[in-house]
Amino acid sequence: AQSVTQLGSHVSVSEGALVLLRCNYSSSVPPYLFWYVQYPNQGLQLLLKYTTGATLVKGINGFEAEFKKSETSFHLTKPSAHMSDAAEYFCAVTQAGSGGYQKVTFGTGTKLQVIP
Amino acid sequence: NAGVTQTPKFRVLKTGQSMTLLCAQDMNHEYMYWYRQDPGMGLRLIHYSVGEGTTAKGEVPDGYNVSRLKKQNFLLGLESAAPSQTSVYFCASSGANYGYTFGSGTRLTVV
Repeated sequence: AQSVTQLGSHVSVSEGALVLLRCNYSSSVPPYLFWYVQYPNQGLQLLLKYTTGATLVKGINGFEAEFKKSETSFHLTKPSAHMSDAAEYFCAVTQAGSGGYQKVTFGTGTKLQVIP
Repeated sequence: NAGVTQTPKFRVLKTGQSMTLLCAQDMNHEYMYWYRQDPGMGLRLIHYSVGEGTTAKGEVPDGYNVSRLKKQNFLLGLESAAPSQTSVYFCASSGANYGYTFGSGTRLTVV
């Protein structure tokens, strides 16, 4: 079984401030982890993913996330928020496998508001 | 641009009517999915397909049917629409790298 918890359904930051969106997961086997971003009236877009290798993963638009196995976390950060970062962000987990279909579980999302 | 295309983008149905949502992908992905997104509930998987000619139930399959006659297409059908099916529907596809590519969504209102 696997699950994802995103702490905070709404997060507000000032333009230029640090963005920190929290994601904790549970998985009985090594996970693959993802962050997606959804802009208003659009579909979800892959921001970054962790599968294997380096635990600090860099994504698009200056975002990065660090896989911390001991804390079962995959928090998303960006050093300096921009107005264009206002969107909803979804964390997702699936199980590492040798191939074939693996169920992906999405968190319930965090809406990021950027204040000028 | 390559990706996932959903049609239609908007639809209003009367209770009891039927409709089909079309999803097409041009990335040769094996896996395709239909999700619904409702406020405060995130994404919920309706049905999915692991290859041409195969379909399987997700978390909330009741009231929906799907077909995948061609690898690039995944159809979602509502045989008798109900107000509870008012939602935004997203199709997605994925390949071996697990990352999903989503369509832009279909906003369905059932009155």
